[in-house]
Amino acid sequence: GQNIDQPTEMTATEGAIVQINCTYQTSGFNGLFWYQQHAGEAPTFLSYNVLDGLEEKGRFSSFLSRSKGYSYLLLKELQMKDSASYLCAVGDSNYQLIWGAGTKLIIKP
Amino acid sequence: DGGITQSPKYLFRKEGQNVTLSCEQNLNHDAMYWYRQDPGQGLRLIYYSQIVNDFQKGDIAEGYSVSREKKESFPLTVTSAQKNPTAFYLCASNPGEQVYGYTFGSGTRLTVV
Repeated sequence: GQNIDQPTEMTATEGAIVQINCTYQTSGFNGLFWYQQHAGEAPTFLSYNVLDGLEEKGRFSSFLSRSKGYSYLLLKELQMKDSASYLCAVGDSNYQLIWGAGTKLIIKP
Repeated sequence: DGGITQSPKYLFRKEGQNVTLSCEQNLNHDAMYWYRQDPGQGLRLIYYSQIVNDFQKGDIAEGYSVSREKKESFPLTVTSAQKNPTAFYLCASNPGEQVYGYTFGSGTRLTVV
């Protein structure tokens, strides 16, 4: 079957760094996405990885290892507005997105 | 500006009633999707459409119906056969096959009263 696992909840301190992990098993692979979702709102796109390695975009970076079925999202210099759920999604062989349950990130002052 | 509009934002339904959620996009995207999101769960695909007048069932299509008569519109009807319809519903669109560019609507929260 297809499965995406990520931690349910994480807590971090303002100004610190946090890493959110995602492991996946899917039928085919056409890229891995990270989305941010604030409560009651639509997900917004953060990053896309299709090749192994690290993609950096400002305070956010995303890493992919296809051989390990593993990705992480790294958030630096955390701000209170980063409190949200972070969704990992994988494009399968039909280019449909398979979604993880999301990681709720709580930022404390 | 281009985007996806979902309406209404909040919807209350009595048991036994059908309700229709609206989704309109002006991005000229071929593909459109309906997802359901429950607390602590990921987005689950209800229906999707890759082209006008054609749509496919997703993982949880039972109790739902859709139509795609126009490229811009992909309404979702939650029927009385859906036993647990209270959830957050998200509509999304994508340019087309083998291309990624998902855009989401702002969602509709449906509550059965």
